[in-house]
Amino acid sequence: DTGVSQDPRHKITKRGQNVTFRCDPISEHNRLYWYRQTLGQGPEFLTYFQNEAQLEKSRLLSDRFSAERPKGSFSTLEIQRTEQGDSAMYLCASSFLGIGGLQETQYFGPGTRLLVL
Amino acid sequence: DQQVKQNSPSLSVQEGRISILNCDYTNSMFDYFLWYKKYPAEGPTFLISISSIKDKNEDGRFTVFLNKSAKHLSLHIVPSQPGDSAVYFCAASAAGGFKTIFGAGTRLFVKA
Repeated sequence: DTGVSQDPRHKITKRGQNVTFRCDPISEHNRLYWYRQTLGQGPEFLTYFQNEAQLEKSRLLSDRFSAERPKGSFSTLEIQRTEQGDSAMYLCASSFLGIGGLQETQYFGPGTRLLVL
Repeated sequence: DQQVKQNSPSLSVQEGRISILNCDYTNSMFDYFLWYKKYPAEGPTFLISISSIKDKNEDGRFTVFLNKSAKHLSLHIVPSQPGDSAVYFCAASAAGGFKTIFGAGTRLFVKA
């Protein structure tokens, strides 16, 4: 399977605990995105990487959230001191945008569903 | 601000008939539009896209129409099948931009 993979698929944690999610993008893709999705809404942009550089963060991403993409391969999203409002589906997507490219199609992983008790 | 709007939360269609899902956008800078399909407990799956230089793109049973003057696009599924029952997201992006903005989704029910 050469699609985007995410781990874990489900995570239940207690308020105040830290959690970390992993995303493995499609291997030749240079862009990687993190989204959050809550019930009845579409995916909301959190942050994205071009290779290993994190180029943009949404204001939705408080200082409790941090994301990394070492070596431009897999990425991790960490949430510190989780709150009940962090309960959501966290989606990772990857794409390839070549030099001079203007349009890209993002391919999503299955998501990590987080429940904060 | 909702730059991409899907005003119908749900749609029910009989098997074999046409399903039409609608999407409106407000940002005139958007020039690339996509439709994704999502089953429960899975991530969105890319379905079809259209560039603003076109007004129609077809892929099998799926056709996307773009009306730039009305800032409106629609997805037609003909004929609809029970396996098409899912949530459909409309998404839009601007050239060279990194953000793809998603609508809230429309849940399609195809009845056998």
